[in-house]
Amino acid sequence: NAGVMQNPRHLVRRRGQEARLRCSPMKGHSHVYWYRQLPEEGLKFMVYLQKENIIDESGMPKERFSAEFPKEGPSILRIQQVVRGDSAAYFCASSPQQANNEKLFFGSGTQLSVL
Amino acid sequence: DQQVKQNSPSLSVQEGRISILNCDYTNSMFDYFLWYKKYPAEGPTFLISISSIKDKNEDGRFTVFLNKSAKHLSLHIVPSQPGDSAVYFCAVERGSQGNLIFGKGTKLSVKP
Repeated sequence: NAGVMQNPRHLVRRRGQEARLRCSPMKGHSHVYWYRQLPEEGLKFMVYLQKENIIDESGMPKERFSAEFPKEGPSILRIQQVVRGDSAAYFCASSPQQANNEKLFFGSGTQLSVL
Repeated sequence: DQQVKQNSPSLSVQEGRISILNCDYTNSMFDYFLWYKKYPAEGPTFLISISSIKDKNEDGRFTVFLNKSAKHLSLHIVPSQPGDSAVYFCAVERGSQGNLIFGKGTKLSVKP
């Protein structure tokens, strides 16, 4: 049973380009969460999605960032016109329906580097 | 402004001894606390949790203590093993499912 799969593991972008980060939840999980970890910081909640719905986006920056979890396929975190401050590790987690937070399973993350 | 603080960035302990990792929080309304463990190049994994109705929760070598009046919790690992070497994050629930506030982490090194 594969865990939460994130790709790519490393992503390099130049300022102004777009970054797309993908997350496939664990089999049977219908809830996805995105977190960001800046250097020397803890993980910061960004967004919580269920299939085709955004449930909580209170941690998402107001501009340039968007997330989706379509009916088919992985969840996508999209960052438009990246800036150096977007360089961070982006972690995705998934959980079964109606799970408590002990049932959050994290992927290995995508390290985004903006040149 | 940090709502969850782990003031020790690192901790070094001898194998077989006790490791004590500390965490402070600012909001007395927080009522559920978790510890996660993270190895390099991996995502965090859940370790142990505690509800505010308890002051202690134990799972094998891991025990979490909660002092609500001091808004402080600690994770005890005894005996410590080299495989425990990792970064430990304290986290609290905030609002919706999956919305956790993490501390900055403490890097534990257990020396053989």
